[in-house]
Amino acid sequence: GNSVTQMEGPVTLSEEAFLTINCTYTATGYPSLFWYVQYPGEGLQLLLKATKADDKGSNKGFEATYRKETTSFHLEKGSVQVSDSAVYFCALGSNSGGSNYKLTFGKGTLLTVNP
Amino acid sequence: NAGVTQTPKFQVLKTGQSMTLQCAQDMNHEYMSWYRQDPGMGLRLIHYSVGAGITDQGEVPNGYNVSRSTTEDFPLRLLSAAPSQTSVYFCASRASKVYSNQPQHFGDGTRLSIL
Repeated sequence: GNSVTQMEGPVTLSEEAFLTINCTYTATGYPSLFWYVQYPGEGLQLLLKATKADDKGSNKGFEATYRKETTSFHLEKGSVQVSDSAVYFCALGSNSGGSNYKLTFGKGTLLTVNP
Repeated sequence: NAGVTQTPKFQVLKTGQSMTLQCAQDMNHEYMSWYRQDPGMGLRLIHYSVGAGITDQGEVPNGYNVSRSTTEDFPLRLLSAAPSQTSVYFCASRASKVYSNQPQHFGDGTRLSIL
């Protein structure tokens, strides 16, 4: 079955530091990949997505590239801000129909950015 | 611009009590789902629905019931609350009932404590 493994946190950085959160996956076929962000006390919001190999998703300064050869979708940001403090989830969705309806989530990585 | 609305936001129950968590979406989405979020466990799928009158079990369905009488509403019922059901519950929806490569929209969650 499908699975997602992301680096365990918590991750603590100083403002303007470089961020990488690793995410690898196993899946059959050609899945789509997502990063969701959860700010304190809120639900999950879609941060970015990529639907095929070598696609780069980007939003709010965050980027992630769909690497089929390494089955990875690492999240990066060049200069983090205090407002980026949140929990980040990597997720996988199937491009095929049938019974594979659900998203598969990683366990989440807590990021804290200090001033 | 409501999106996915969950009520209540907070609830405290005693063991053995029953209650219903409400979820409504105004985007005419076919697919709706319930997750629970626990520390170190990520999000786990409880139940999902691909349309009015159609529901199915996710990873952790025991102790929960759902129904889908309309496209908009997808309530989650705890029949006899147990301390193990203390968690944060999220409802989510997406447009396609089949393809999980589309983003899901999440509510802000219900924080439930069972004493």
